[in-house]
Amino acid sequence: QLLASGGDLARPGGSLRLSCAASGFTFRIYDMSWVRQTPGKGLEWVAGVRGGGPETFYTDSVKGRFTISRDNFKNMLYLEMKSLRAEDTAVYYCAKSIREIEMWGPGTRVTVST
Amino acid sequence: DVVMTQSPLSLSVTPGQAASIYCTSSQSVLHSSEGFTYLNWYHERPGQSPRRLFSHVSKRDSGVPARFSASGSGTDFTLQISGVQAEDVGIYYCMQGTHFPLTFGGGTKLEIK
Repeated sequence: QLLASGGDLARPGGSLRLSCAASGFTFRIYDMSWVRQTPGKGLEWVAGVRGGGPETFYTDSVKGRFTISRDNFKNMLYLEMKSLRAEDTAVYYCAKSIREIEMWGPGTRVTVST
Repeated sequence: DVVMTQSPLSLSVTPGQAASIYCTSSQSVLHSSEGFTYLNWYHERPGQSPRRLFSHVSKRDSGVPARFSASGSGTDFTLQISGVQAEDVGIYYCMQGTHFPLTFGGGTKLEIK
């Protein structure tokens, strides 16, 4: 199971931290991703992190603003989001794997607005 | 970025009829050094998170009914449903996992007549 949390209303330029609790599988050996979904742009892969870390990958629009990280002792995945923009408004999903995304948890909604 | 183009945008199918969804990538999604083609298909039911149906073009996930099949190579891929059932409604997405950033198709909405 994957359970994302931390979504909220944020101001443009603000910050949020998303968390994802993983259970039911050996978290530390799996690459993990964040994917977001908007009515206008559909599904967009945002970031990924290797199972053992520290290698990370990002889509261009979030590079330098978002940071994906993980805690393999706590079975937790994180997405630190800074300098938020209106276009970051979306439902964010925590997902298992990178190249073969195989499991999605329920999303958490992020709204960036004044 | 690799652009994934799906067609049709939507289709309405009578139960028991066949349906085909197409996905074309702007460049080959064969990973040249690994030899794998990272092309996945997902099904999103209303109000639910997407569920993977196939990985590596045609590797069916556990629990996916046999009426679903997938094929393709290089830049052209197809998802087929041999006899659509009511539970198959929703949106189908293809996704390439070969080139960063990973990209999704725009989705094909399947409705039942």
